[in-house]
Amino acid sequence: SAVISQKPSRDICQRGTSLTIQCQVDSQVTMMFWYRQQPGQSLTLIATANQGSEATYESGFVIDKFPISRPNLTFSTLTVSNMSPEDSSIYLCSVGPGPIPGGYTFGSGTRLTVV
Amino acid sequence: DQQVKQNSPSLSVQEGRISILNCDYTNSMFDYFLWYKKYPAEGPTFLISISSIKDKNEDGRFTVFLNKSAKHLSLHIVPSQPGDSAVYFCAASVTSGSRLTFGEGTQLTVNP
Repeated sequence: SAVISQKPSRDICQRGTSLTIQCQVDSQVTMMFWYRQQPGQSLTLIATANQGSEATYESGFVIDKFPISRPNLTFSTLTVSNMSPEDSSIYLCSVGPGPIPGGYTFGSGTRLTVV
Repeated sequence: DQQVKQNSPSLSVQEGRISILNCDYTNSMFDYFLWYKKYPAEGPTFLISISSIKDKNEDGRFTVFLNKSAKHLSLHIVPSQPGDSAVYFCAASVTSGSRLTFGEGTQLTVNP
């Protein structure tokens, strides 16, 4: 299965600023996904990023708040814009499915704290 | 609308005993179910899956049971080992390879 390098692993940011999270995959993949895990809650899909087209956002998430880039088949970024304390979460990128049906691979996550 | 629910936020078992993690779902369109394990500071890793055409799938110490009529699945780990201590997420999809809907996770602690 693919190996994902995600960075930064953690950051503490001031409210009103923006943070860009990067995911690099060791192989070409068609679909990349961005998730958010708020404290004590499930992983929630933010958007699906396909190379060469605009990301598809899930209900409750908008491009102005979470702009995504997908310049090629191995790389994607998620920006958390104009941050507030409510954005404090773990953000994860994911690719798949892999050889095992449904077996998506996840990055190690970015733990974001907004103060 | 939480379509996949794990009602137990935590579970503690003794080493060597069985761990049973439960998951309920509400969307009858789900036909593929997965379990992921997550260690601190790491991303979730795929553990085991089951298609709705089966009621059991086994892989070593891990067995997943599916009860479609009850919309319930469970993960059995036997024997449990301290290295199994992690957060376990249940996930479901409408078809294999489509987007996943996750539960809230259950923190499993296996005590030596």
